[in-house]
Amino acid sequence: NAGVMQNPRHLVRRRGQEARLRCSPMKGHSHVYWYRQLPEEGLKFMVYLQKENIIDESGMPKERFSAEFPKEGPSILRIQQVVRGDSAAYFCASSGIAGDTQYFGPGTRLTVL
Amino acid sequence: DAKTTQPPSMDCAEGRAANLPCNHSTISGNEYVYWYRQIHSQGPQYIIHGLKNNETNEMASLIITEDRKSSTLILPHATLRDTAVYYCIVQKMGGNEKLTFGTGTRLTIIP
Repeated sequence: NAGVMQNPRHLVRRRGQEARLRCSPMKGHSHVYWYRQLPEEGLKFMVYLQKENIIDESGMPKERFSAEFPKEGPSILRIQQVVRGDSAAYFCASSGIAGDTQYFGPGTRLTVL
Repeated sequence: DAKTTQPPSMDCAEGRAANLPCNHSTISGNEYVYWYRQIHSQGPQYIIHGLKNNETNEMASLIITEDRKSSTLILPHATLRDTAVYYCIVQKMGGNEKLTFGTGTRLTIIP
């Protein structure tokens, strides 16, 4: 029973490039959540998606960040024109129904040079 | 969501029970108590959750006080692999589903 999968596990980008982080939820889960953990800080909620819909994006930075969860395929967190301050660990979680237990993936560590 | 208060750090001897407290004095009747842990820089790992009854699973036990204003996570026989940051989170079922992580308790298991 595969858990939440994220790839890549490590991503290095230069300032101004784009970063695409992918998250495949647990089998049967249709709710995906993205969290960010800056160095030496706690996890902060970014966005909550259900298939093809953004439910809550209250934690997303206003610019350069976007997320999608298409009908087919993984959820994508996209960061355009990355800056050094975007360097962080990005975690994805999934749940089977709204408000149910969230299970986390191993994370993607983004380093911006 | 209700806020939680946890001690910043605790030590526990290997093989002993680790008891991690959490205060959530403003918890609402429809909010669950969840516990997660994060080992080093790995993804948070779900441990256990409960509403008002005590709960036990293969990882831990959760004791919730009768007034629901505090709870204790118990790891019955701590091992070195239990060294982690433990987060106590209250979450409303069926409401806003985002998890709000505090600073947690850094538990160190001493050999």
